[in-house]
Amino acid sequence: AQKITQTQPGMFVQEKEAVTLDCTYDTSDPSYGLFWYKQPSSGEMIFLIYQGSYDQQNATEGRYSLNFQKARKSANLVISASQLGDSAMYFCAMREGGYSSASKIIFGSGTRLSIRP
Amino acid sequence: DTGVSQNPRHKITKRGQNVTFRCDPISEHNRLYWYRQTLGQGPEFLTYFQNEAQLEKSRLLSDRFSAERPKGSFSTLEIQRTEQGDSAMYLCALLPQDPELFFGEGSRLTVL
Repeated sequence: AQKITQTQPGMFVQEKEAVTLDCTYDTSDPSYGLFWYKQPSSGEMIFLIYQGSYDQQNATEGRYSLNFQKARKSANLVISASQLGDSAMYFCAMREGGYSSASKIIFGSGTRLSIRP
Repeated sequence: DTGVSQNPRHKITKRGQNVTFRCDPISEHNRLYWYRQTLGQGPEFLTYFQNEAQLEKSRLLSDRFSAERPKGSFSTLEIQRTEQGDSAMYLCALLPQDPELFFGEGSRLTVL
């Protein structure tokens, strides 16, 4: 069965520093997708980045990059040059099957990131 | 437009009562998901539709929960005989353009 694990309940980081949020996953399907979402205190869920299991390169979106290590089954989110507005809950998520696969998306328990000025 | 409207935004009910939540996509989207989220936790998958077909339902979900999407547009989630443990935010999400999942603002349930 597919599983997502986020082991950092909370993190504090100084503004402008880089931060890595950990995510490990488990699946028996060779084809899968990994996602990261941000949820600020306002409650909305904001899509950040996606990585397919067969993608050759690590995904990047602006200040966000996904450090995909397939053998270790990890998909850590790296935020470069953190900003005060990055303070939020961050969720890692996974879907079995490839791009556009019709299957469920499951989420981890999240990491609360707090940026210090 | 990838918006999704959820109603009611907040429902307070007594234990044992039935409640129904509605999710209205602003435009047609074939994939619709329901999640439940409690404070400080990640969204928990409940069920998933492709058009009007319910493709999967969480095994964690008791028979008190049922969801429908009769015409492949709006969807309803009904909880029968509510319990205090059902208190949570119920989120509807659409997948208009893979892989970006768009969430509604949610319906908050409080069971007294």
